[in-house]
Formats: sequence, C-alpha cells, structure tokens
Amino acid sequence: QLQESGSGLVNPSHTLSLTCAVSGEPISGGFHPWSWIRQPPGKGLEWVGNTYHSGTTSYNPSLESRVSIFVDRLTNQISLKLTSMTVADTAIYYCARASDQGFDYFDSWGQGILVTVAS
Amino acid sequence: QSVLTQPPSVSAAPGERVTMSCFGSSSNIGEYYVSWYQHVPGTAPKLLIYDNDKRPSGISDRFSGSKSGTSATLAITGLQTGDEAQYYCGSWESRPRVFVFGTGTNVTVL
Repeated sequence: QLQESGSGLVNPSHTLSLTCAVSGEPISGGFHPWSWIRQPPGKGLEWVGNTYHSGTTSYNPSLESRVSIFVDRLTNQISLKLTSMTVADTAIYYCARASDQGFDYFDSWGQGILVTVAS
Repeated sequence: QSVLTQPPSVSAAPGERVTMSCFGSSSNIGEYYVSWYQHVPGTAPKLLIYDNDKRPSGISDRFSGSKSGTSATLAITGLQTGDEAQYYCGSWESRPRVFVFGTGTNVTVL
C-alpha cells in the first residue's frame, strides 16, 4: 500500500517535497523500481522518474535538472524533491511501484496528493 | 508529452462491448510492452493489463488487451456502470527514454 504526503501548496520558485509511505513490504527487500507520476489538471499522466532501493535513479528528461527521488530505508519511504516550482507543476502527484521484471508497468499506486503552486 | 494517442471518449449501453485504441510509433509501442490503467478521479489508478495482453490477479476477464505493430487495443465486454472511468495506455519510449502514457479515453455507460 502506498500513501503520499507532503506540502499541498507551494510558492512559485520554491521546492516541492513529497514522501510516499510504503506499507506491506520493505523497499530494500526487492527489486521494484519506485516511481513518481503526476497529472496536471485536465491533462494526462506524466512519468516524473524512479528510484531503486540501491539508489539508482532515472528521470524524465523534461524534469531532470530539477528533480530528485530517493529511498529512505529506515522509514520505508520514497521521497520526491522538485525545485524551482512554477504554475505548470500544479498537479496530482502519485507514487507507484513498477514491475520488478523489466519495469514494464506500474502494478500498485497511491491515491495521489494535489499540489498547487501559487503565492 | 503524450506520444500515445487515444480517442477522447467511447460510450455504450450496459452489457455491450467497447474497444479503445492506443496509437504509437516504432519507438514506443512498436518496441515495448503496453499496459493499461483504469482511473476513477480521486482514487488510485488500477493496472488492468500488462505485457500487452496479461491480466493481473483479481482483474475481471471482461477486460482484454491486444497489440499489433504500433498500436494496442483494450476491450471491455459486458459493460457495467462501474466501468465508467478514464483509461490510459502506457509504454516506454526510447527516444528519449521515458515512460509515456496515452492521452486517455473516457468510458461512459449509457
């Protein structure tokens, strides 16, 4: 089970910080990639990036200069930081677990958290 | 950034069959597996189909997927009011390497 939490309102130019609590399995016990995916209002889904428990990451090239995703093994959480936020970053942010065989699909999702960028 | 194109909406009466397509290219669907997701706003998206045509445990056999060349199709048979949702296809894109989702199809049960 995945549960997102964090700042729902962010000022323009500031940094977004979100966490995803993973329950029911230890992140470090498997080989699943853990991803963040977002959905701007009225638009489709956009993959933000992912991390493995080893710390290996990959990011959407459109966000790569501003994003970091990392694992906290002690708390069994996945964290997302997105810097220099703009109105275009307003979206529902989901954390999701990807398949551990080839990373071809997302088999478990959180309910999402709405993040609004406004002053 | 949606490089996978889906029809905006499809509709049918209860009990009928609907299909929705997902059009891509040789650098995404033509090269990688396709997955399908059901999303009711305010809830967590749900995986319906993976690896083009496989159903996860617990997903009704009313849902089926197929792929041919650079396009994929999701079919729902015996349509129910509970199937009203947004449906997204997904696949890897190789240039640049990024996981992409389709534009989404809204299913309405008449």
